[in-house]
Amino acid sequence: SYELTQPPSVSVSPGQTASITCSGDKLGDKYACWYQQKPGQSPVLVIYQDNKRPSGIPERFSGSNSGNTATLTISGTQAMDEADYYCQAWDSSAVVFGGGTKLTVL
Amino acid sequence: EVQLVESGGGLVQPGRSLRLSCAASGFTFDDYAMHWVRQAPGKGLEWVSGISWNSGSTGYADSVEGRFTISRDNAKNSLYLQMNSLRPEDTALYYCAKDLQPDDSSGIFDCWGQGTLVTVSS
Repeated sequence: SYELTQPPSVSVSPGQTASITCSGDKLGDKYACWYQQKPGQSPVLVIYQDNKRPSGIPERFSGSNSGNTATLTISGTQAMDEADYYCQAWDSSAVVFGGGTKLTVL
Repeated sequence: EVQLVESGGGLVQPGRSLRLSCAASGFTFDDYAMHWVRQAPGKGLEWVSGISWNSGSTGYADSVEGRFTISRDNAKNSLYLQMNSLRPEDTALYYCAKDLQPDDSSGIFDCWGQGTLVTVSS
């Protein structure tokens, strides 16, 4: 079955750029999306179809996807961005999530 | 405002059954595919199952194939998950999620409910 791999944790200083990667075989041939989940809350879609932002998502969130790696980039990271982030792709009519990355803003 | 409200969770013994429901409002329910996603305590997200807008197509994760059945009632704006032969590893918070695009299943979830907790234990 298809697998997506994310680093367990990423740390960033406030105001700096955070990058979270997601790796999978030929992931660039599929669409990737990203979800943000804060403690005790439901996930929120922040990027879909590699690099599109849903309405209401700040411009500091961006995405890319090429080769075997999709990347979520948060520019000018704020304390409120501290959360778990999950990548997700669609493979053979099944949805696959990455294991999640805990973003710490310190 | 889109709202998804799950119900039906609870404590159940291994091998027993449970039926989850999701009541939808704030959008044209029968235009969109719908999904169930679960999250075990302290763990990541796992897609469970999805169903097309007209129930013509369904999909399941390997971990639940043959045990769980997804269905919907467009007249009642409701989504269901029948869970049979439950196992301790099915213990999780079960979310109902709406697909982003109308008329087709994109596997992108733009709205989520708050979840209903299922605990499988003797």
